[in-house]
Amino acid sequence: GDSVTQMEGPVTLSEEAFLTINCTYTATGYPSLFWYVQYPGEGLQLLLKATKADDKGSNKGFEATYRKETTSFHLEKGSVQVSDSAVYFCALSEGGADGLTFGKGTHLIIQP
Amino acid sequence: GAVVSQHPSRVICKSGTSVKIECRSLDFQATTMFWYRQFPKQSLMLMATSNEGSKATYEQGVEKDKFLINHASLTLSTLTVTSAHPEDSSFYICSAVLAGPNTEAFFGQGTRLTVV
Repeated sequence: GDSVTQMEGPVTLSEEAFLTINCTYTATGYPSLFWYVQYPGEGLQLLLKATKADDKGSNKGFEATYRKETTSFHLEKGSVQVSDSAVYFCALSEGGADGLTFGKGTHLIIQP
Repeated sequence: GAVVSQHPSRVICKSGTSVKIECRSLDFQATTMFWYRQFPKQSLMLMATSNEGSKATYEQGVEKDKFLINHASLTLSTLTVTSAHPEDSSFYICSAVLAGPNTEAFFGQGTRLTVV
């Protein structure tokens, strides 16, 4: 079946540091890939997505590129802020009628 | 983006009682809604897929008689945890899919269930 593997946390960085959260996947078809963010006490919010190989999703300074050859969708941000502290989930979907398959989540802590 | 409202956000109930969680799509019609369960420090696990007007499809290992799902309309799905036990304590999240060529799932705020 489908699966998503992302780096374990917590990840602790200083403000303005460069961020990378690794995500790799296995899927039977050609999935869409997503990054969701969960701020403390809130539900999940879609951060960015990519629907086909070589697509780059971007939002709020975050970006991730759909790499079919390495089955990866790593999340990056050039300069993180304290407000970026949250749990980040990598996920995939084989189609709209299917639920999402999530990674375990990476807790990101940004220190001032 | 589209809004999904989940209610209640927190609930505490006694063992043996039932709890109903509502998931509403406020500004769009959702033919499909999903229910997830999130354990502490773990990922979200899909419990079931809810389709309007038909029976829910449950993932392997999820007891359909314990987690009753009703999708009576295009904007409302409910999850009822029956005869709750402490091990049912968890964070439950629903999502609704906006139909179209680029389907996107929108998530509710989640419900923290504590069974005492």
